[in-house]
Amino acid sequence: SQTIHQWPATLVQPVGSPLSLECTVEGTSNPNLYWYRQAAGRGLQLLFYSVGIGQISSEVPQNLSASRPQDRQFILSSKKLLLSDSGFYLCAWSPQGSQPQHFGDGTRLSIL
Amino acid sequence: KNEVEQSPQNLTAQEGEFITINCSYSVGISALHWLQQHPGGGIVSLFMLSSGKKKHGRLIATINIQEKHSSLHITASHPRDSAVYICAVSAYNAGNMLTFGGGTRLMVKP
Repeated sequence: SQTIHQWPATLVQPVGSPLSLECTVEGTSNPNLYWYRQAAGRGLQLLFYSVGIGQISSEVPQNLSASRPQDRQFILSSKKLLLSDSGFYLCAWSPQGSQPQHFGDGTRLSIL
Repeated sequence: KNEVEQSPQNLTAQEGEFITINCSYSVGISALHWLQQHPGGGIVSLFMLSSGKKKHGRLIATINIQEKHSSLHITASHPRDSAVYICAVSAYNAGNMLTFGGGTRLMVKP
């Protein structure tokens, strides 16, 4: 069966520090991969999606970036975090085509 | 860009009540998704539907493509149903990207 792993579960970082959140999927190949953010009191927002290795599409311009160095690995990064980057970050995957998405457990990021 | 509206934003019910959450969207879609988010933040996909009706246990989801409207029903509600329910739609593109509604926070009291 397929599983998705996302880490860390919680993270506290100072303003201006770098960020790296990792997500891996097991038990499937060539999945669509997604990064979402849920700011406090707000709805989910798509940040990045990827349909294949090295293919990243950004939905919201900001100081975050994403990379997909391997088929089942998706990384969310920042060189310098802002206070506004605080939130709950979710990784998800789906098979190619119109299919349900499966979510990781999320990372709660607090910026001090 | 698709606009996804959910109602109500907050809902409190007594155990055993029949619950309905509504979702409407503005542009044609390939599928509509109902998600459940528990207090810890984890999200579970409940349904994905493009027409008609689906049922899983006490949960029923319906969609009317012509009216661009979907409903999620919970029969015989239970306190463990307390969660945020999120409607999302996916468009006709290779990325299968989701656009989300604002969510409905449901509390079921014993």
